[in-house]
Amino acid sequence: DSGVTQTPKHLITATGQRVTLRCSPRSGDLSVYWYQQSLDQGLQFLIQYYNGEERAKGNILERFSAQQFPDLHSELNLSSLELGDSALYFCASSVAGGDSGNTIYFGEGSWLTVV
Amino acid sequence: LAKTTQPISMDSYEGQEVNITCSHNNIATNDYITWYQQFPSQGPRFIIQGYKTKVTNEVASLFIPADRKSSTLSLPRVSLSDTAVYYCLVGYQKVTFGTGTKLQVIP
Repeated sequence: DSGVTQTPKHLITATGQRVTLRCSPRSGDLSVYWYQQSLDQGLQFLIQYYNGEERAKGNILERFSAQQFPDLHSELNLSSLELGDSALYFCASSVAGGDSGNTIYFGEGSWLTVV
Repeated sequence: LAKTTQPISMDSYEGQEVNITCSHNNIATNDYITWYQQFPSQGPRFIIQGYKTKVTNEVASLFIPADRKSSTLSLPRVSLSDTAVYYCLVGYQKVTFGTGTKLQVIP
């Protein structure tokens, strides 16, 4: 158990809908990261927050948005969903925001299926 | 972020030692080298991290030559449960994972 908690574990929704994925980082971690992994694909970095502020942005679509709240949990909002958004979405956390030696811990992911 | 290159896949028999090499020619002075393991449908798991020379833990060893332009993850006496994708990461901004090395352990 990495200590990173993601909910829901599974989600099925229709095209055009909007969903929210939630992440609770490890206790004491200030950084939260979101990744997308489609079937048999690599991990695509979406976005990073550090202590409530956006720190880095990856290949995140405009239909997607995220935020980190004062209690450090984070939410990833996916809207106008398309079939191609079906994927495993991972949240990860780390103590700091940018140090190279910082270890990132991943949650078990949220499976999103768009039908 | 330093770009990394590692083999796409490797096969190994059970009980053998497996070495996976990662090239990172433009590694920066303050970059650490980190390896993760990912099983299907699970989040990547930290294996080992190093800056230079050799690092060993209960799971693996990491060898880093003096020029730090490459690193080798060594898994001793692999078992079927070591079948997974192994990622090499260098540096930290955006924490971009490459395609990793798919290790298949054969009985």
